[in-house]
Amino acid sequence: DSGVTQTPKHLITATGQRVTLRCSPRSGDLSVYWYQQSLDQGLQFLIQYYNGEERAKGNILERFSAQQFPDLHSELNLSSLELGDSALYFCASSGANEQFFGPGTRLTVL
Amino acid sequence: QQQVKQSPQSLIVQKGGISIINCAYENTAFDYFPWYQQFPGKGPALLIAIRPDVSEKKEGRFTISFNKSAKQFSLHIMDSQPGDSATYFCAARVSGTSYGKLTFGQGTILTVHP
Repeated sequence: DSGVTQTPKHLITATGQRVTLRCSPRSGDLSVYWYQQSLDQGLQFLIQYYNGEERAKGNILERFSAQQFPDLHSELNLSSLELGDSALYFCASSGANEQFFGPGTRLTVL
Repeated sequence: QQQVKQSPQSLIVQKGGISIINCAYENTAFDYFPWYQQFPGKGPALLIAIRPDVSEKKEGRFTISFNKSAKQFSLHIMDSQPGDSATYFCAARVSGTSYGKLTFGQGTILTVHP
């Protein structure tokens, strides 16, 4: 158990819909990262927050957004969903060097 | 642009054998190189990591070898066990960004036969 929690574990929705994925970092970690894992693209960095502020952006679509709240939990919002958004979404948190990953949310867009 | 190339895509090893997975990188600003192990339905779990100021790091049956001049690093799993069957990812992070993103290789599916 990495100490990073993610909810929900599974999410099935339809094209055009909007969903919210939630992540709670390890106790004391200020940084939260979101990654997308798909069969064809592998593990891709989406976005990073540090203590409530956006720190870095990767290959994140404009339809996707995220935020980190004062209690340090983070949410990833995915809107206007397309079939191609079906993937595993991981949250990771870090204190110093190591990044620890949560169990992920499997998103299926039908 | 893929900055970390990992090979092989899949690897089959007999129990007790040595598993070797290789990674090559392009960005010389990378200064932290972790390996992750992922089982089906689980998140990646940090296995071992190395910085370029050392050429080798060993933790139990897992060893990272690092060749800075060749911009390559590899994971060796000694005495491979069926329980090691998983997907392994190498990764790299840019210097000066202690909290920076990881760039991952494409992954290697390791199967250890009993």
